[in-house]
Amino acid sequence: NAGVTQTPKFQVLKTGQSMTLQCAQDMNHEYMSWYRQDPGMGLRLIHYSVGAGITDQGEVPNGYNVSRSTTEDFPLRLLSAAPSQTSVYFCASSYLTGRSAYPDYGYTFGSGTRLTVV
Amino acid sequence: AQSVTQLGSHVSVSEGALVLLRCNYSSSVPPYLFWYVQYPNQGLQLLLKYTSAATLVKGINGFEAEFKKSETSFHLTKPSAHMSDAAEYFCAGGYQKVTFGTGTKLQVIP
Repeated sequence: NAGVTQTPKFQVLKTGQSMTLQCAQDMNHEYMSWYRQDPGMGLRLIHYSVGAGITDQGEVPNGYNVSRSTTEDFPLRLLSAAPSQTSVYFCASSYLTGRSAYPDYGYTFGSGTRLTVV
Repeated sequence: AQSVTQLGSHVSVSEGALVLLRCNYSSSVPPYLFWYVQYPNQGLQLLLKYTSAATLVKGINGFEAEFKKSETSFHLTKPSAHMSDAAEYFCAGGYQKVTFGTGTKLQVIP
């Protein structure tokens, strides 16, 4: 299993350009999420999805779009890049299984995309 | 809104000393709690997770955390710090929509 694969690993954009960060998982996980990490602010949730065709906004969704046409893929689109979007972006996929009082839950991160907007 | 609070953005300990990293969560956070470690320029590695099966959770690298519902806390401890523990640690909570704390950088002094 490859786990969660993010591409590209590094990207430099000019202000106003658009691009798509790719995220793919091969674990058949229902849930997928995008985070951005900035110094001193931890990871902040941008968008998340609870299944194919279902997405919702997180804490910092402005300037980003997502779609989930398949279980495996969850691309993040920057519509018009701004310097404030310079950050490290992480994609994650997760599962919740079991009907017992203590269902198992797992969360797997990709290796990140370092984006610089100039 | 759910929130996770890490007390202390920087913690310094001597090698061999107890490591204690504090995490409190809001009552709206579902009882799924995690600790992750991040080394410089790397991704996040899961240390341990709590999923209601036991209040004391053992993780990798000798770390453990205790879930205290009455205190809404999930503090991370390690009895004896090692130089290789120097990293940034993140507490997180929830499922589907996971909320992260702002992180604690651990410095280990030789």
